[in-house]
Amino acid sequence: GAVVSQHPSRVICKSGTSVKIECRSLDFQATTMFWYRQFPKKSLMLMATSNEGSKATYEQGVEKDKFLINHASLTLSTLTVTSAHPEDSSFYICSARDTVGRANTGELFFGEGSRLTVL
Amino acid sequence: AQSVTQLDSQVPVFEEAPVELRCNYSSSVSVYLFWYVQYPNQGLQLLLKYLSGSTLVESINGFEAEFNKSQTSFHLRKPSVHISDTAEYFCAVTVSGGYQKVTFGTGTKLQVIP
Repeated sequence: GAVVSQHPSRVICKSGTSVKIECRSLDFQATTMFWYRQFPKKSLMLMATSNEGSKATYEQGVEKDKFLINHASLTLSTLTVTSAHPEDSSFYICSARDTVGRANTGELFFGEGSRLTVL
Repeated sequence: AQSVTQLDSQVPVFEEAPVELRCNYSSSVSVYLFWYVQYPNQGLQLLLKYLSGSTLVESINGFEAEFNKSQTSFHLRKPSVHISDTAEYFCAVTVSGGYQKVTFGTGTKLQVIP
């Protein structure tokens, strides 16, 4: 299957600082990537859809100025948590579809996730 | 809009016993269905998927799921579980064609007891 790499896997930061998480599709091109947030013992909450070369589409209730998404190339999307606060602590997971190189089955390929802890 | 319901948040089962994880979906259009598995502090991995054709789909590690359109279900089964199957399992749905967003269920924690 296709590989999606996410970095860093763990990050600890102080309240008020910004943190950037990278999501890369290693062996395929992804015009669209998705960012999810996962709370303990809860499902995945879709935060936004990242579109290469254009603005991200945010889900209702997600602050776009708080969670900045940039999809500068077909293999890289970044999520920046700005002015992080303890309530932003969570597990963030990115995913992508290979809609360019193979038949699109709707399958999502997931990164390994990033555990953010804001002190 | 599509939705997915996983009624069981946790399913404890003894090793080598059979297990069924339930998933029901709701949609007014045709769908693709997926089961993903998540191990602690990791991302999700695709376990199996239903796109079309045979309603029974299988994974390489012994899991199977059956698409039942009349009951709008896609239950996951394994005849004999192993300790290594302990993980969180998510059922997911997207509109056929594969270009819409994917909606996930709330997950079922499978706890295999030695």
